[in-house]
Amino acid sequence: AQSVTQLGSHVSVSEGALVLLRCNYSSSVPPYLFWYVQYPNQGLQLLLKYTTGATLVKGINGFEAEFKKSETSFHLTKPSAHMSDAAEYFCAGGSNYKLTFGKGTLLTVNP
Amino acid sequence: EAGVAQSPRYKIIEKRQSVAFWCNPISGHATLYWYQQILGQGPKLLIQFQNNGVVDDSQLPKDRFSAERLKGVDSTLKIQPAKLEDSAVYLCASSLGSDRGTDTQYFGPGTRLTVL
Repeated sequence: AQSVTQLGSHVSVSEGALVLLRCNYSSSVPPYLFWYVQYPNQGLQLLLKYTTGATLVKGINGFEAEFKKSETSFHLTKPSAHMSDAAEYFCAGGSNYKLTFGKGTLLTVNP
Repeated sequence: EAGVAQSPRYKIIEKRQSVAFWCNPISGHATLYWYQQILGQGPKLLIQFQNNGVVDDSQLPKDRFSAERLKGVDSTLKIQPAKLEDSAVYLCASSLGSDRGTDTQYFGPGTRLTVL
């Protein structure tokens, strides 16, 4: 069964600093992996997804993630944090037709 | 393009009462999902429809929760009777349904339910 683990329920960075949000997956089959962002009182919005092909995936708002099969990881990064990036981020794994979400990481950006 | 619509946005009820949520997916999307998001956790799939048929309701507490998707478009999720532990945000999402493994799911704003 697919499971997704997000390391760190809360990450705090300074504006302009590197953002790194960690996600590890567990699966016996090649996974489909997603990162979603949730702003307060809003639904989830897709940042990026990995299905097949290039393992470095670029998404919206300057975010990217790299699929590393050997490490079963799909960490999300952004070179320079903006105040507007403050939100909750969810990693999700898909297999067949079901998405399994991690517990989320709350990102705060300090001025 | 209009997004996924949900109503109401907020609902407060007492335990043992009934409540219903409504979802209108993006036009043309065959697949519709209902998720439960408890505070501090990721969304958990409750039920998934493909057109008007149920393809997965394995995590739906069927003794109190029910859902339908008439005519393969709008959907309603009902809780009867509600318990305190049902307090959560209920998210509706839809996708094209062309490839349910990799389809992007588009989420509505959710309904925040508080059970007192």
